[in-house]
Amino acid sequence: NAGVTQTPKFRILKIGQSMTLQCTQDMNHNYMYWYRQDPGMGLKLIYYSVGAGITDKGEVPNGYNVSRSTTEDFPLRLELAAPSQTSVYFCAISRDRRYEQFFGPGTRLTVL
Amino acid sequence: GENVEQHPSTLSVQEGDSAVIKCTYSDSASNYFPWYKQELGKRPQLIIDIRSNVGEKKDQRIAVTLNKTAKHFSLHITETQPEDSAVYFCAAPSNTGKLIFGQGTTLQVKP
Repeated sequence: NAGVTQTPKFRILKIGQSMTLQCTQDMNHNYMYWYRQDPGMGLKLIYYSVGAGITDKGEVPNGYNVSRSTTEDFPLRLELAAPSQTSVYFCAISRDRRYEQFFGPGTRLTVL
Repeated sequence: GENVEQHPSTLSVQEGDSAVIKCTYSDSASNYFPWYKQELGKRPQLIIDIRSNVGEKKDQRIAVTLNKTAKHFSLHITETQPEDSAVYFCAAPSNTGKLIFGQGTTLQVKP
């Protein structure tokens, strides 16, 4: 039971490149979230999903896209990378918004 | 609107002293209040949570208190140790499926 896995762990992108951050869970939780955390700052919600086929914007969705075709996977897509997207990205899951969120190990992304 | 305010942003205490972090929330329908600890370079992890049907919950050296009337809740750490040094986040759920996090408190425990 791995919980929440994220790939890759680290990535360096050039401005304008695209990439997908992967998030997979094996806990069968309906709720999944993507956060970004800039150095020394708090967690900002990018997108979230309350179940397969349902996604919604969070606080900072611009420049990102998500999909949720299965319960297990919630990939985050960056289409045209910008230096402002340099951050650590955390995926999280929960049974419901009133239960514990389990975070993945994070992906450290640098855009140069 | 949905908002969680957390204070202080930084807190420095001597080992053995107590530390208190406070949060206020705006959504009166919120009924679940978790606290997360994030060590340097690690992921946030839940350390304690409280639901609105109780006013206080303890787990060894940590406790959380909730005042629903005033819409605030607090984290109390007693007998602090150097390994308590970390960033602490409070949170409260919105009615749209999101968990709203506070801005974080960096706690430094000096040996």
